Amino acid sequence: AQSVTQLGSHVSVSEGALVLLRCNYSSSVPPYLFWYVQYPNQGLQLLLKYTSAATLVKGINGFEAEFKKSETSFHLTKPSAHMSDAAEYFCAVSEIKVGGNEKLTFGTGTRLTIIP
Amino acid sequence: GAGVSQSPSNKVTEKGKDVELRCDPISGHTALYWYRQSLGQGLEFLIYFQGNSAPDKSGLPSDRFSAERTGGSVSTLTIQRTQQEDSAVYLCASSLSRGRDTQYFGPGTRLTVL
Repeated sequence: AQSVTQLGSHVSVSEGALVLLRCNYSSSVPPYLFWYVQYPNQGLQLLLKYTSAATLVKGINGFEAEFKKSETSFHLTKPSAHMSDAAEYFCAVSEIKVGGNEKLTFGTGTRLTIIP
Repeated sequence: GAGVSQSPSNKVTEKGKDVELRCDPISGHTALYWYRQSLGQGLEFLIYFQGNSAPDKSGLPSDRFSAERTGGSVSTLTIQRTQQEDSAVYLCASSLSRGRDTQYFGPGTRLTVL
């Protein structure tokens, strides 16, 4: 069974500082991995996804994530935080199942606060 | 084109009443998902529709919850005899085909059970 662990339910960084949001996954088969962002009172929006091509994935708004199989991690980073990055971030995993249902399993989310 | 839409955006109901939540997916998307997001919780998978296949209902928390998808498009999530613990934001998402495809989320319906 697949699962996702996001370390740190709340992360605060100063504007201009590095953003690092941690995600570890568990999957019995090669996974697809996603990061979604949720702004207040809105639905979720895809930031980036890993689909077994390049291990370093670049997404929108300057975010990127690196798939590390040996560490079963898919941490999200951004070199310089902006005030508009304040939101909740969800990591998710989808197992590849030939002919089967492929649903996403989400982590519990990390709320990112940017300090001016 | 238009994104995923959900209605109503907010619903307040009394304990014991039935409620229906609606989701209009993106045209052409064959996969449709319902999730529940409770305060301080992550997203809890409820149900998944894929084309004409039998839905995956493995996430429904009790038999008070049901969902249908008519004509492969619009979906309705019904909660019967609502309880206070049902209070949450109910999110709908659709994707082109399968779980590996990007899911596009609606804005959600905030349900409050008094």
